Amino acid sequence: AQSVTQLGSHVSVSEGALVLLRCNYSSSVPPYLFWYVQYPNQGLQLLLKYTSAATLVKGINGFEAEFKKSETSFHLTKPSAHMSDAAEYFCAVSDRVVPTFGRGTSLIVHP
Amino acid sequence: GAGVSQSPSNKVTEKGKDVELRCDPISGHTALYWYRQSLGQGLEFLIYFQGNSAPDKSGLPSDRFSAERTGGSVSTLTIQRTQQEDSAVYLCASSPRQGGFEQYFGPGTRLTVT
Repeated sequence: AQSVTQLGSHVSVSEGALVLLRCNYSSSVPPYLFWYVQYPNQGLQLLLKYTSAATLVKGINGFEAEFKKSETSFHLTKPSAHMSDAAEYFCAVSDRVVPTFGRGTSLIVHP
Repeated sequence: GAGVSQSPSNKVTEKGKDVELRCDPISGHTALYWYRQSLGQGLEFLIYFQGNSAPDKSGLPSDRFSAERTGGSVSTLTIQRTQQEDSAVYLCASSPRQGGFEQYFGPGTRLTVT
């Protein structure tokens, strides 16, 4: 069975501050891991994915995530938040055909 | 190229009516998924199609929900006798293959049942 836990339904940061969105997963086999972003009234867009190559994955818009097997984590980070980063972020795990999504974390960026 | 498209973008219906939601996946993508997203909730898996295989219907919440995919391309999600709790955004996604490949999402259909 696979599952995803995103810690914190809301994360608030100031513009220019570090962004850290947490994701822990459970999987019976080496997983594929994804981060998606959803802007208001839009579908989800892939930010980055881990597929057993490099453990540090770089994505679009300056985001990156590190796969840590020992911690079963795949946290998403960005060194400096921008106002345009305000959105809903979803972590997903796939060890079979249908990915499982976390409940999402809403990122709020203050000027 | 063209992404995943969904229609209508918004649908308001009366309780008890049937509705059909349409999804046009990216050409050549063999996998197609339907999800439901309620306010403040994550994505609830509904149904999955892969090529010509029998669909995985394990996520459908009741027998009022059904979906089909014609010719391995366009998919229609049908909700019969709609209830107020069916109000949500219905998202469709397609993928080149199953498993470790990322999904490409459509903009969703916002369904409101009055």
